[in-house]
Amino acid sequence: QKEVEQNSGPLSVPEGAIASLNCTYSDRGSQSFFWYRQYSGKSPELIMFIYSNGDKEDGRFTAQLNKASQYVSLLIRDSQPSDSATYLCAADSSASKIIFGSGTRLSIRP
Amino acid sequence: EAGVAQSPRYKIIEKRQSVAFWCNPISGHATLYWYQQILGQGPKLLIQFQNNGVVDDSQLPKDRFSAERLKGVDSTLKIQPAKLEDSAVYLCASSLVGEASLYGYTFGSGTRLTVV
Repeated sequence: QKEVEQNSGPLSVPEGAIASLNCTYSDRGSQSFFWYRQYSGKSPELIMFIYSNGDKEDGRFTAQLNKASQYVSLLIRDSQPSDSATYLCAADSSASKIIFGSGTRLSIRP
Repeated sequence: EAGVAQSPRYKIIEKRQSVAFWCNPISGHATLYWYQQILGQGPKLLIQFQNNGVVDDSQLPKDRFSAERLKGVDSTLKIQPAKLEDSAVYLCASSLVGEASLYGYTFGSGTRLTVV
């Protein structure tokens, strides 16, 4: 069974600090990895994707991938209250489909 | 471009009743996905279509769930009869062929089903 695993949280971070979210995946065949943000009562929204080992930066967000360790992370710099949400880590699987972790709930405290 | 459209937004039914959800994908997207998201969990793929053919329905509870995409555009997901554990948000997503693994996909707003 191919799996993506995340700590469910909640992760509480003070405003302005760096939030660090992590996940691991089981399928070594996965090539692409995604971070989705989901606000309460809303559908998931894609915020980052990464294919290559190393870091990928987009504004305040940095995705990190380590294929040898099967580890993906998301860093959010200068955390804002609007970043409070559930963050879903996902990986591609066979035949163009994506499997999701259970999500980490992030809370930014003022 | 218009996003993935889903209806209804909310539905409350009694157990053993039937219910249907509708999804219209982004124009030109041949691949369509239905996911089930139970509260506190990540989305779980129920069925994947490419045009009007099923690519993967391995996690669809076929004794009660069915889905169709007759003309290769919009799709309907049906549950009959519903159980309490079917209470969830049903999400539809679409992508161009082969691009989901590259760029992810966009979800519709979802249908929240409550079975009482």
